[in-house]
Amino acid sequence: DSGVTQTPKHLITATGQRVTLRCSPRSGDLSVYWYQQSLDQGLQFLIQYYNGEERAKGNILERFSAQQFPDLHSELNLSSLELGDSALYFCASSVNPGQDYEQYFGPGTRLTVT
Amino acid sequence: GQQLNQSPQSMFIQEGEDVSMNCTSSSIFNTWLWYKQDPGEGPVLLIALYKAGELTSNGRLTAQFGITRKDSFLNISASIPSDVGIYFCAGPEGDNFNKFYFGSGTKLNVKP
Repeated sequence: DSGVTQTPKHLITATGQRVTLRCSPRSGDLSVYWYQQSLDQGLQFLIQYYNGEERAKGNILERFSAQQFPDLHSELNLSSLELGDSALYFCASSVNPGQDYEQYFGPGTRLTVT
Repeated sequence: GQQLNQSPQSMFIQEGEDVSMNCTSSSIFNTWLWYKQDPGEGPVLLIALYKAGELTSNGRLTAQFGITRKDSFLNISASIPSDVGIYFCAGPEGDNFNKFYFGSGTKLNVKP
C-alpha cells in the first residue's frame, strides 16, 4: 500500500458526460501528479500541483482540469467525455519535487466511456 | 517533449534466468527511477538513482545510472514468476523537476 488513495476504483459513464476523480496523497506529501494510461500504453503525464498551486502541465486536454485543495487532496475533472478518454487515471504524490523526485502511485481509477 | 526509449519492448524468459533492460533519453537526466506495474495496478517504485555512475540494489534488482546521464539499466537476477509485469524507467526532465516522464515500458514474462 503506497498510502495514496484514489476514488472511485471504477467509473462507467456515457459520452458527453462529466466526471470527477479524487486523490488523497500520502501523509506529508505536498505534490500531486495526474497521469493517464490508455490500454497497453505508457503513462502520460497530465498535470502537477504543489501545495495547492499548479506547477507543471503535460499533455492535458482543455476538456480536463484539476485542482488541489487546502487539505492537499486533488480532483481531476473530465468533461465532454469521448470514447477515447477511456483509460486508467493514476494519481501520484511526492514530498517536494525539488528535493525528492520519488513519486508514489495510487491504485488508479478505471474510466470507461460508452 | 522528452522521450524515454526502453528496450527490449518485451521479454520471455525461464524462471531462474537473469534479465537486463535499459532506458535511454535524448537529453540529460539528473534522476532515474525504475517502477514495476502489475496489470490494473499503480506503478510501484523499485529503485531511485541520483548520481551518474551510481549502482544501487534492491534485493535481486540492481540498477545503474549511466555515466553519460542519458541512460540507465535494470537487472533482475534469478527471476521468479512474481517478477512478471511491466517495468518503466522514469525521471524529471533535466532541471525541470516538475515534469516527469515515463518510458514506454518493458513487459516481462517469466515461465515457471
